Amino acid sequence: GAGVSQTPSNKVTEKGKYVELRCDPISGHTALYWYRQSLGQGPEFLIYFQGTGAADDSGLPNDRFFAVRPEGSVSTLKIQRTERGDSAVYLCASSLIFSGEQFFGPGTRLTVL
Amino acid sequence: EDKVVQSPLSLVVHEGDTVTLNCSYEVTNFRSLLWYKQEKKAPTFLFMLTSSGIEKKSGRLSSILDKKELFSILNITATQTGDSAVYLCAGMNNNDMRFGAGTRLTVKP
Repeated sequence: GAGVSQTPSNKVTEKGKYVELRCDPISGHTALYWYRQSLGQGPEFLIYFQGTGAADDSGLPNDRFFAVRPEGSVSTLKIQRTERGDSAVYLCASSLIFSGEQFFGPGTRLTVL
Repeated sequence: EDKVVQSPLSLVVHEGDTVTLNCSYEVTNFRSLLWYKQEKKAPTFLFMLTSSGIEKKSGRLSSILDKKELFSILNITATQTGDSAVYLCAGMNNNDMRFGAGTRLTVKP
């Protein structure tokens, strides 16, 4: 079966622009997570959805970051007024239930020039 | 503040060697500890440990959790070049997972 997919795989943008990163979880997985991974670091938790609602968004670094999951499946991470420090690989993961094994997508490499 | 610390940060061994990777954690309302292998972009799941003292095994890999001392180890026996990767551990509580920085393992032929 299909795993977690993320698009685009790479995104290059200019400072100040708006970007959207998409995550398509495994069908039937109710929990969806976004992480950000900088070079040489482990993934950093951003936000977690249970169904359509954000169960925990405490990891979002500031109000330029926002994520939605309107129908409880696909999720979009939105970053406004991008900054060079936002450059990282953004990973999405899904699990059947919150406490279950998380399956990761291939990530989106965001580069802000 | 919650934190997960892995050691060593990097390790170079030769094929056939046995390695032990360490993970210590301080996670509020701790539930489970997870190990992942990351070769390119996406970490792949290895183990989830919830109970103390019960070893989990998968082929040449095994892991155990000590909830009293707040650490876990990942053992790899008879290492192969395909084991070269970054190994991540993560502590999970009721809301999120906190990852360590990882151990970069390089297995030379």
